[in-house]
This record gives sequence, structure tokens and C-alpha cells, in this order.
Amino acid sequence: EVQLVQSGAEVKTPGATVKISCKFSGNSFTDYYLHWVQQAPGKGLEWMAFIDPEDDEKIYSEKFQGSLTLSADTSTDTAYMELSGLRFEDTAVYYCVTSKINMALETWGQGTLVTVSS
Amino acid sequence: EIVMTQSPANLSVSPGERATLSCRASESISRNLAWYQQKPGQAPRLLIYSASTRATGIPARFSGSGSGTEFTLTISSLQSEDFAVYYCQQHNNWPPPFTFGPGTKVDIK
Repeated sequence: EVQLVQSGAEVKTPGATVKISCKFSGNSFTDYYLHWVQQAPGKGLEWMAFIDPEDDEKIYSEKFQGSLTLSADTSTDTAYMELSGLRFEDTAVYYCVTSKINMALETWGQGTLVTVSS
Repeated sequence: EIVMTQSPANLSVSPGERATLSCRASESISRNLAWYQQKPGQAPRLLIYSASTRATGIPARFSGSGSGTEFTLTISSLQSEDFAVYYCQQHNNWPPPFTFGPGTKVDIK
């Protein structure tokens, strides 16, 4: 059974950078795509980007182009999401999620709360 | 970018009753539509993908239908654990983003 365990909550000041990790287990890391989804407090879900750990291909939503960087370490089966130039409105829970080639979001991490506060 | 809309925004249903949730895409997405359930304080859970295929472990009371721009999630007989927010999402319709609808909250009548 695939499991994703994310790093803990973060508090950052405006303009800072946050990096969240997502540890994959239970199957072959390179058989899956890793997506990231944002959920602001009390709001809906927003798809941000995905990475293919097998070939390091990345696709970003236009909204996050330039501020979001994804990476994946196949030696530790861990994916990373780095968001820079943080603004108050980046306060949200960030989820990592797996998919197969059909891009349906199958297995979700527990989420990481990022709070941007001065 | 494809825009997803959902209706109604809120749905009050009695336990044991049928619930019908709608999702519409701003342009055709074939059958590339997924449904997710999210309970308070929890991560979402995949229910349905490719419009009508139940994900692993999802009870048969959940069913999906539709194609093109109009989709429906039906919960045949609501159980207490089904009260939640439901999101639709277009998946595998290139190019990304794989946009979500705003959600339908199903609560107890």
C-alpha cells in the first residue's frame, strides 16, 4: 500500500521560502507521478504541479510558475516542494499526492500547514 | 484553462436518501473526470475516476456518470460517514492545470 508522509507545519515570514518534503513508501517511487495541491483555510483545492521522478519532468500551473520548484530524490524516495517569495495568501495546507498515468489523484499525504505571518 | 463548476454548493440530505451532485466543465473533457470526498481535518480521498470507475475500496453506493461537459456523482443511500465536501476535478485532459470544482458540501437534513 502506497503511503506518503509529509514534513511538519511551518511558520514563515513574508518573502521567505519554504521547503516541504513528502516521503513515499509501499511501492516503486518511479512508477508514480507526484502532484502538489494547495488548500487555503476554509477554501477549496487547487492543483499546483506534478513531477515524474523517473525522468524529472515537471509541469507547473501557470499561477505558480516562477515561485514553485519541485524536485524528487530517487535514492530516498522523497519528493520536495519549494515555494519562494511567500505572501500572506500562501497560508494553506499543502498536500502531496500520487497518480498513475491517468492523473487521477490516488494517495494523499496528510498535508503540511504553512502559515505566513509577520 | 478549463473551469469546473459544481452544483449545488450545499446539499442537505437525510440519512438513507439519495444524493445527486453535479459538475460541469467549461469545455469538453471527454471522460477525464474524478470525484473526491473530504471530511473536516482530513485529506481528500479519491472516489471515482474516468467519470465512472470507482477507486479501490469505494463502496458501490457511490456512482459516477457523464461525459463531455456534464457529470454526476450519485450516492444511492447516504450513510452518516458520507457527510462531507465533494470535489470534482478534470484529470488527464492536457494540457494542465488539472482544475478542481469549488465543491459541494453535503450535510445532514
